[in-house]
Amino acid sequence: KAGVTQTPRYLIKTRGQQVTLSCSPISGHRSVSWYQQTPGQGLQFLFEYFSETQRNKGNFPGRFSGRQFSNSRSEMNVSTLELGDSALYLCASSSSRIDEQFFGPGTRLTVL
Amino acid sequence: QKEVEQNSGPLSVPEGAIASLNCTYSDRGSQSFFWYRQYSGKSPELIMFIYSNGDKEDGRFTAQLNKASQYVSLLIRDSQPSDSATYLCAADGFSSGSARQLTFGSGTQLTVLP
Repeated sequence: KAGVTQTPRYLIKTRGQQVTLSCSPISGHRSVSWYQQTPGQGLQFLFEYFSETQRNKGNFPGRFSGRQFSNSRSEMNVSTLELGDSALYLCASSSSRIDEQFFGPGTRLTVL
Repeated sequence: QKEVEQNSGPLSVPEGAIASLNCTYSDRGSQSFFWYRQYSGKSPELIMFIYSNGDKEDGRFTAQLNKASQYVSLLIRDSQPSDSATYLCAADGFSSGSARQLTFGSGTQLTVLP
């Protein structure tokens, strides 16, 4: 079974731009969660989607948004990028709301 | 504010020894707990999960959960240099009907010395 895939793997943007990251969960998994990982703040929860509905959102500004499609693939968008948005963005999928989550390889975003 | 606390380390153990990693959590409503291993530059990899009080063993790994003390631990027996990584403890938050949200600790950096 293929694992969680994320594209692109690396991204360089400048301040003020916007970016869209993509995540394809493990086949059959309907829950997709997004996390931001930085050296200073560690792994922080962004939001979780299940069956195209956002069920939970972490403490991030409205510039961070996401969506999930009917095939469970998910995208997250960050608008008006700031230097502090430089991070590893991780997507994790699970088959239900209580099962363990499996992480994708991440997208390394650098904001210049 | 839900918190998960880990000793940041670094923790060094000799090859073949037992490595003990500890974690405490603040949300009494947390029901399930996860240990992830993260190598430098890689994404977290699930090692163990535990829901019930007591011990859960999987190969060289044993997870221990004590809900009364709000304490989770991971023991790694016969530690190998390939176990050198950062270990992340996470608690799932379902208290007050909240949807899935993993809260992670800051991680413990483990080095196994040959």
